[in-house]
Amino acid sequence: QSVLTQPPSASGTPGQRVTISCSGSSSNIGDNTVNWYQQLPGTAPKLLIYRNNQRPSGVPDRFSGSKSGTSASLAISGLQSEDEADYYCAAWDDSLNGPVFGGGTKLTVL
Amino acid sequence: QVQVVQSGAEVKKPGASMKVSCKASGYTFTNYYIHWVRQAPGQGLEWMGIVNPSGDRTSYAQKFQGRVTMTRDTSTSTVYMELSSLRSEDTAVYYCARDPSGKFALDYWGQGTLVTVSS
Repeated sequence: QSVLTQPPSASGTPGQRVTISCSGSSSNIGDNTVNWYQQLPGTAPKLLIYRNNQRPSGVPDRFSGSKSGTSASLAISGLQSEDEADYYCAAWDDSLNGPVFGGGTKLTVL
Repeated sequence: QVQVVQSGAEVKKPGASMKVSCKASGYTFTNYYIHWVRQAPGQGLEWMGIVNPSGDRTSYAQKFQGRVTMTRDTSTSTVYMELSSLRSEDTAVYYCARDPSGKFALDYWGQGTLVTVSS
C-alpha cells in the first residue's frame, strides 16, 4: 500500500488529453512539492515534472503538473504513442522523514 | 556530460549480502545528494535511503534500518549501497539517482542493477 494514491491505469487515444491524479496528506503533498517520473518499459525512471509544475529541459510542454492542497495531477495533452509508460508521483513526507512514491499509473495509448 | 553508472547484475543466496556501486562523473560529486531506489519485478518504486557525498551523512527508510549501509568514496566519485541478510523479496532492480536540491527531484539515474536472491 503506497502512501501516495494513484489510479493503477489510465488510457487515451492519440491527440487526446489525459490526467493522472495523485492523492496524499498534509505530511507529504500538503507541505512539500511534488515530482513526477516517467518510466518507459525496461528503462530507468526519468524526471518529468519537479516542484509541482516545472519541466526539466527537454521535456515537451505537452506535460504539465499542478497541485492543490493534498492532491496533485499530471496532465498530458496531444497524447502520443511514445507516452505509453508508467508514471509515478513522489513527494517528501515529513512524518516518515523521507520521500514517498505513488503506486504508479500505467498509461496505455489506444 | 553527467553520467551515473552502476555495477553489474548479481545473483545472491538468501542470507548473503550485496553491494552495488554507483559511479558519478561530469559534475562536482560532493555537490549533489544520491538516493537509492529499488523496484521489485512488476512492482512500483521504493525509496531506500540518501547519501550526502560532501559529509557522508546518510538517512535510511525505516524498512531497511539495520540492514542497509550507504557509503561514499570521494576519491572515485562513487557511492555504495550494501544490503545484508538478503531474502527472496529483495530481488529487484536497484537504482541510484542524483538529487540537486534535496527535494527528491532526481534528475540523473543510473541504469539500474538487477539483484536476484535465490537458493
